[in-house]
Amino acid sequence: QLQLQESGPGLVKPSETLSLTCTVSGGSISSTSYYCGWIRQPPGKGLEWIGSIYYSGSTYYNPSLKSRVTISVDTSKNQFSLKLSSVTAADTAVYYCARQHRQLGHDYWGQGTLVTVSS
Amino acid sequence: DIQLTQSPSFLSASVGDRVTITCRASQGISNYLAWYQQKPGKAPQLLIYAASTLQSGVPSRFSGSGSGTEFTLTISSLQPEDFATFYCQQLNSYPYTFGQGTKLEIK
Repeated sequence: QLQLQESGPGLVKPSETLSLTCTVSGGSISSTSYYCGWIRQPPGKGLEWIGSIYYSGSTYYNPSLKSRVTISVDTSKNQFSLKLSSVTAADTAVYYCARQHRQLGHDYWGQGTLVTVSS
Repeated sequence: DIQLTQSPSFLSASVGDRVTITCRASQGISNYLAWYQQKPGKAPQLLIYAASTLQSGVPSRFSGSGSGTEFTLTISSLQPEDFATFYCQQLNSYPYTFGQGTKLEIK
């Protein structure tokens, strides 16, 4: 059974960089059928797609965040990562990593991790 | 960006009811639409992909239909565990946007 687990600081100061890692177990992220994605959800609000990466390193970002987002992959560790720079309180959210089956949807999700931006 | 508008935003229904949620896209997305169910404090769960294909393990009371710009999610007979928030997502073109959500509550 595929499992995804987010890890990283739960508190980040304004203007700093948010960094999260997603560790995948029970399967390889080096698959031609899947992408690795990040989605976030501010408290009490809806879902926002942040971006995704193919195992080869090709990336796709939400233009609303593109200037601040970097997603990377480490196939040797079966992990992928998210960096979001210059954070503000508006970036406070639960951040989810998820496997994206091409254009069919996100079929496996991590449990999510709350990141709060505050001084 | 492609905008997805779900209706209604809130829905109150009883166990055993048949309910339908609509998702309208601001431009045609073929059948690249997925539906998710999210319960409080949990990650979303994929219910339907490609507009009408049931994800493995999802009960058959859930069904999806539509193509182009209008899509529906139907629950044929509500069960107590179905009360949650539902989201549609388009995967036709980047960025992969979500609808605003439909909260299904017990009447």
